[in-house]
Amino acid sequence: DAGVIQSPRHEVTEMGQEVTLRCKPISGHNSLFWYRQTMMRGLELLIYFNNNVPIDDSGMPEDRFSAKMPNASFSTLKIQPSEPRDSAVYFCASSLLAGGGELFFGEGSRLTVL
Amino acid sequence: AQSVTQLGSHVSVSEGALVLLRCNYSSSVPPYLFWYVQYPNQGLQLLLKYTTGATLVKGINGFEAEFKKSETSFHLTKPSAHMSDAAEYFCAVSAYQAGTALIFGKGTTLSVSS
Repeated sequence: DAGVIQSPRHEVTEMGQEVTLRCKPISGHNSLFWYRQTMMRGLELLIYFNNNVPIDDSGMPEDRFSAKMPNASFSTLKIQPSEPRDSAVYFCASSLLAGGGELFFGEGSRLTVL
Repeated sequence: AQSVTQLGSHVSVSEGALVLLRCNYSSSVPPYLFWYVQYPNQGLQLLLKYTTGATLVKGINGFEAEFKKSETSFHLTKPSAHMSDAAEYFCAVSAYQAGTALIFGKGTTLSVSS
């Protein structure tokens, strides 16, 4: 079975540009999570969805960040406009609501904002 | 609210030596506890988890952890380190209910020398 699929794996962009990161969760999973990893702050939860509904977006840094989950098999994380401090690895993870809490992670999208 | 503290951002051991990575948690409700491992340029993989029942939990690659409620700890151990164990290790906690997110510690980098 395919795992969590993220794209792009690497993105280099200039400050002010829009960035869209994509995630396809494991088929059948009904929870989806976006995390950001940096050296300074470690792994931070940005937002998560249960059954496509956003449950907690308190970790989203500011209004420049938005996330959507239009259906059970796709989610996006958008940054507009991007800033150099957004440079990080963004991870998507999915799980089963009744699955004991284990998250399955994608390989991450490494974002560099110049 | 939940939080995790990993003591020691970097641990170095010799091949064949005991590995001990420390994790303390804070949770206002009974916790689920997890250890994940991350190899360079990869996502996180589950090593082991504690939900309920036996407090000594065995995971993959010879790792185990013990849940100690009185000490609010969930330390990770392995009797004999291998070179292949060199990676970053994350402890995580979630609330004892379905559909909540994992909160991660800052991580501990394990180095193994020959």
